[in-house]
Amino acid sequence: QQPVQSPQAVILREGEDAVINCSSSKALYSVHWYRQKHGEAPVFLMILLKGGEQKGHEKISASFNEKKQQSSLYRKASQLSYSGTYFCGTDNAGNNRKLIWGLGTSLALNP
Amino acid sequence: NAGVTQTPKFRILKIGQSMTLQCTQDMNHNYMYWYRQDPGMGLKLIYYSVGAGITDKGEVPNGYNVSRSTTEDFPLRLELAAPSQTSVYFCASSAGLSNSPLHFGNGTRLTVT
Repeated sequence: QQPVQSPQAVILREGEDAVINCSSSKALYSVHWYRQKHGEAPVFLMILLKGGEQKGHEKISASFNEKKQQSSLYRKASQLSYSGTYFCGTDNAGNNRKLIWGLGTSLALNP
Repeated sequence: NAGVTQTPKFRILKIGQSMTLQCTQDMNHNYMYWYRQDPGMGLKLIYYSVGAGITDKGEVPNGYNVSRSTTEDFPLRLELAAPSQTSVYFCASSAGLSNSPLHFGNGTRLTVT
């Protein structure tokens, strides 16, 4: 049931884009995206819901393919602050009570 | 703007000792959660609560207990600590709607030796 995130890690040069994927083996009601810096708490980025609703920060770009049961997060390496580990949490029931979390994707910038 | 507050930040326990991790939120959220995060891993749900007086097990509840007597507080109790409980513990809260984000506390780093 745990969603699969890919890639496990990515290193970007300034200006390069990253695509972080989150795939589930079960039908999804929503996908949550969070970023965590080392030693800190996860911070909310975006929620994508079945039916097309999205909620999150304006500068975050993400997609949700209900048929493929997957979501993708898009990041451009324009700021060092974008580094960290990105986690997706999937909700199969529509109530956010038991989000199942992926193992994370580590994003680092090559200065 | 306190949000979710966890205490303590760090703790070292000996095997067999007990302790309570405190969590309080000031956003009037109905839903509260306890997660553990092991190195290089994602979050595992220990227990959650959908309101005062209501709690339920998550993925990894063994060795833990919770209570929810008020909307604000959701303490996590470790009885008879074991090395396998060495982890970082995060408390979180949300409004509980399907489009509600989770707000996390800063975590408690627990080592059991």
